[in-house]
Amino acid sequence: DAGVIQSPRHEVTEMGQEVTLRCKPISGHDYLFWYRQTMMRGLELLIYFNNNVPIDDSGMPEDRFSAKMPNASFSTLKIQPSEPRDSAVYFCASSPRGRGGNQPQHFGDGTRLSIL
Amino acid sequence: ELKVEQNPLFLSMQEGKNYTIYCNYSTTSDRLYWYRQDPGKSLESLFVLLSNGAVKQEGRLMASLDTKARLSTLHITAAVHDLSATYFCAVDYAGTYKYIFGTGTRLKVLA
Repeated sequence: DAGVIQSPRHEVTEMGQEVTLRCKPISGHDYLFWYRQTMMRGLELLIYFNNNVPIDDSGMPEDRFSAKMPNASFSTLKIQPSEPRDSAVYFCASSPRGRGGNQPQHFGDGTRLSIL
Repeated sequence: ELKVEQNPLFLSMQEGKNYTIYCNYSTTSDRLYWYRQDPGKSLESLFVLLSNGAVKQEGRLMASLDTKARLSTLHITAAVHDLSATYFCAVDYAGTYKYIFGTGTRLKVLA
């Protein structure tokens, strides 16, 4: 199994630019999650999808952030316009429905984003 | 709102020693997960605990869950340097498959 695939691995861009992060979940997984990790705030869930439908986006910090899942094998997280405080590692994770939660979330390698 | 707290936040220990990391959470849940993260790397699943009294062991690590006390522990036996990493617990919020992560415990095992 290829695991969760994220791209790019690193992104450095200037403030005000649009940033798009991409994620390919593990085939057959029903759930997809986007997290942000920083030293100050730890791991925060931004949004998650079930069967391509957004279920909870209460963690999305503001309107500059948007996420889509057009099909079962692809999701994007977009920041527009980007700001220096958006600098963080962004992780995508996926999980199957499982029985009673017996399948943990599987994480991608993350995208390290730096906004100058 | 579900809150998940871990302690200690930092732990430096000698090889061969035993220690326990604690994970407390604020609302009822019977699904708890432990992950390991090496510096600059992804999160790796270690344990899945799904009921009160659940105990799982893998090598020098043993995890347990007490849902009544809202407490999980990760016990390290005879630590070795390779166990140096950050350990996170995560609680499933009301069976939604949405995880709330703890603050993490950064473990350093000294040779």
